[in-house]
Amino acid sequence: DAGVTQSPTHLIKTRGQQVTLRCSPKSGHDTVSWYQQALGQGPQFIFQYYEEEERQRGNFPDRFSGHQYPNYSSELNVNALLLGDSALYLCASSSLQLAKNIQYFGAGTRLSVL
Amino acid sequence: QKEVEQDPGPLSVPEGAIVSLNCTYSNSAFQYFMWYRQYSRKGPELLMYTYSSGNKEDGRFTAQVDKSSKYISLFIRDSQPSDSATYLCAMITSGGYQKVTFGIGTKLQVIP
Repeated sequence: DAGVTQSPTHLIKTRGQQVTLRCSPKSGHDTVSWYQQALGQGPQFIFQYYEEEERQRGNFPDRFSGHQYPNYSSELNVNALLLGDSALYLCASSSLQLAKNIQYFGAGTRLSVL
Repeated sequence: QKEVEQDPGPLSVPEGAIVSLNCTYSNSAFQYFMWYRQYSRKGPELLMYTYSSGNKEDGRFTAQVDKSSKYISLFIRDSQPSDSATYLCAMITSGGYQKVTFGIGTKLQVIP
């Protein structure tokens, strides 16, 4: 049973560029959440997708957007990259339909903005 | 004040010691309490979760939740060098859509 998979593992971009990160949830899970983890900090909630809609959003600007596909996979898009966007981006999946509140994380995508 | 407070450490202990990791929180709506282990530059790995108050044991790990004090703990018995990692406490309110609120993480080093 594959766990949560994220791609790519590492990405280098320059300021002003746009980036797309991808996530496939654990088998049986229907909900995907995205988090940003800066060095030495705990993960910060960006947003959550269920049934292809954004259901909750943390304190992140509109430059951060996402999408969920019918197969439950998800993308995180960040526009107009800033140096401060450099972080580990984590995807977590869970099952809202089964009322399973526990989230399982992928290995993350490390984004470096130069 | 942050919703979840956790001492970032670092915490250094000798191999075989009992480790105690703790978090306090302010939101009384939290119902699910988790501990994740995160190795350097990797994603968090779920160690244990507890619903509401009480204790839960899994091998060398014991999680405790005291909702009256808004205080949770993770104990690691017979600590091993492979336990060296950052330990994140995390919490969710019950029902609805699930935003996980994390502590900052405590960095643990177990010295052989």
